[in-house]
Amino acid sequence: AQSVTQPDIHITVSEGASLELRCNYSYGATPYLFWYVQSPGQGLQLLLKYFSGDTLVQGIKGFEAEFKRSQSSFNLRKPSVHWSDAAEYFCAVLNNAGNMLTFGGGTRLMVKP
Amino acid sequence: DTGVSQNPRHKITKRGQNVTFRCDPISEHNRLYWYRQTLGQGPEFLTYFQNEAQLEKSRLLSDRFSAERPKGSFSTLEIQRTEQGDSAMYLCASSVEGSGAFFEKLFFGSGTQLSVL
Repeated sequence: AQSVTQPDIHITVSEGASLELRCNYSYGATPYLFWYVQSPGQGLQLLLKYFSGDTLVQGIKGFEAEFKRSQSSFNLRKPSVHWSDAAEYFCAVLNNAGNMLTFGGGTRLMVKP
Repeated sequence: DTGVSQNPRHKITKRGQNVTFRCDPISEHNRLYWYRQTLGQGPEFLTYFQNEAQLEKSRLLSDRFSAERPKGSFSTLEIQRTEQGDSAMYLCASSVEGSGAFFEKLFFGSGTQLSVL
């Protein structure tokens, strides 16, 4: 069965600094991968997804992620973090049947002024 | 669209009581999902519907849990004889069936936070 691991439970960065959130997946074939963001009191919002093709994908809010098959990773990056990016971030993989997302445990991002 | 709506936003109940949550998906979305999220964890799949048919249920969905979507529109999730371990955020999401790309259009509600005392 597919699974997703987010090794970092908490990350704190200074505003304006670069950000990388790690995601490792376990999946037998080419995965469909997603990053979501969840702000307090809000539903999950899709940041970006990878289905196939270019391994560097661009998303909303200035985020990007790179799919690396050799490392089974799909890390999320942002060159310059804004205070409003403080939230919880979830990586997810679609199952074989294409009808269910499996989420990682999440990484809580805190932004220092 | 008005987004996925979940009610109530918060529910506090005593152990042993029954609770029911409601989810109103985006209009014309034929797929509806329920997920559970405990503190510090990612959402865990519970069940999903395509129209009124419940197509899959997780092992997490014990006999005390039941979900319905009677007319293929809104859905309810009922928990009978609640236990403290049921305390969690219950998330609903909806989408339109299609190719794998339909998950690009999976919209989540803000959830119902259940606290069992």
